[in-house]
Amino acid sequence: QVQLLQSGAEVKKPGASVKVSCKASGYTFTSYGITWVRQAPGQGLEWMGWISGYNGNTIYAQNLQGRVTLTTDTSTSTAYMDLRNLRSDDTAVYYCARDLLSSRGFDYWGQGTLVTVSS
Amino acid sequence: QSVLTQPPSVSGAPGQRVTISCTGSSSNIGAGYDVHWYQQLPGTAPKLLIYGTANRPSGVPDRFSGSKSGTSASLAITGLQAEDEADYYCQSYDSSLSGSRVFGGGTKLTVL
Repeated sequence: QVQLLQSGAEVKKPGASVKVSCKASGYTFTSYGITWVRQAPGQGLEWMGWISGYNGNTIYAQNLQGRVTLTTDTSTSTAYMDLRNLRSDDTAVYYCARDLLSSRGFDYWGQGTLVTVSS
Repeated sequence: QSVLTQPPSVSGAPGQRVTISCTGSSSNIGAGYDVHWYQQLPGTAPKLLIYGTANRPSGVPDRFSGSKSGTSASLAITGLQAEDEADYYCQSYDSSLSGSRVFGGGTKLTVL
């Protein structure tokens, strides 16, 4: 069965960086993309970016461009989200989700990773 | 400020029908992009509820249905049940944002 397993919770200081991993199993990693979504406490879902599992092409949300980098390691079927220069308002649960086509939505989600930014 | 606009909350009694609207613009829903809906129960990851505007993934009850007209989409839930109490989000794509995915702000459904 399809599973996306994310890395554990992180606590970071303002100005630091965080890297969250998302290990995929149960499907051919290179046939799908991965989307990253975050949710601040008590807030809605915010789309962060997308990466192709096939060729590593990326699309980033405009408000995060320059601070976020998405990468993949096809040898381990793992996607990574790197967020730099962290601020307190980056405190959120970060999710990865499988994202194939505009007609299919995000059909499988990781369990989420809480990133807390605090001095 | 979300690109797609949803009502913050809706409510209904068990057995009733409720609808949740999702209003966009000519660069997203009105441009013909599909709309997807997600259900998020408290403390859990979102779950795909409706894809491609009106399709249900396997295992989603047919009490849930989706539709689209012009620059808006709707999620309808019939035969409301207590377990339907959750947050619901619409999602689409936006041509003015270079293919970015966009979400609605979310709607809290309360079953009275």
